[in-house]
Amino acid sequence: KQEVTQIPAALSVPEGENLVLNCSFTDSAIYNLQWFRQDPGKGLTSLLLIQSSQREQTSGRLNASLDKSSGRSTLYIAASQPGDSATYLCAVTDSTLTFGKGTMLLVSP
Amino acid sequence: KAGVTQTPRYLIKTRGQQVTLSCSPISGHRSVSWYQQTPGQGLQFLFEYFSETQRNKGNFPGRFSGRQFSNSRSEMNVSTLELGDSALYLCASSLEGGRGEKLFFGSGTQLSVL
Repeated sequence: KQEVTQIPAALSVPEGENLVLNCSFTDSAIYNLQWFRQDPGKGLTSLLLIQSSQREQTSGRLNASLDKSSGRSTLYIAASQPGDSATYLCAVTDSTLTFGKGTMLLVSP
Repeated sequence: KAGVTQTPRYLIKTRGQQVTLSCSPISGHRSVSWYQQTPGQGLQFLFEYFSETQRNKGNFPGRFSGRQFSNSRSEMNVSTLELGDSALYLCASSLEGGRGEKLFFGSGTQLSVL
């Protein structure tokens, strides 16, 4: 059974810092990995989707990498802003979509 | 283009009752999937519908059921509610439900069981 772990569970940084969120998964036979953002009480917004054949994806200040063989992904956020405060979830697709429990990020002005 | 719409936004029920949640996907999307989110278990996959057929199912008891209509709108039903069913229920839509597709989520229905 696929298990997805996200470290750290919570992170607090001052505005302007670069930061890295980590995601690991136990079964490397995945089709893709996605990073989502969730604001309190809201649904999820897809940030980046990396296919299993890809190594990384970039969107603006966000960069996600995937190392399928080691079962790891990282989400790099450059020059963090208070508006980046949210919970970030990663999810892997094999037979279904399996989510990690997320990293709660707080960026203070 | 309208996003994924879930109704109602909030719901309060008592144990033993049943509840029906609704999800309208993005126009043109034919796949709808449902998820339960709780603080303890996180996000868990319930089921996926495509062209009115359940295509995949998570590990939930039979009290949880769903259906999809010809216009791709989907409903989820929970019978004989238990306290542990209190959660945020999210639905997501995509074009075909293919594994490489991006998912678009609704804002969810927050269900409280008293």
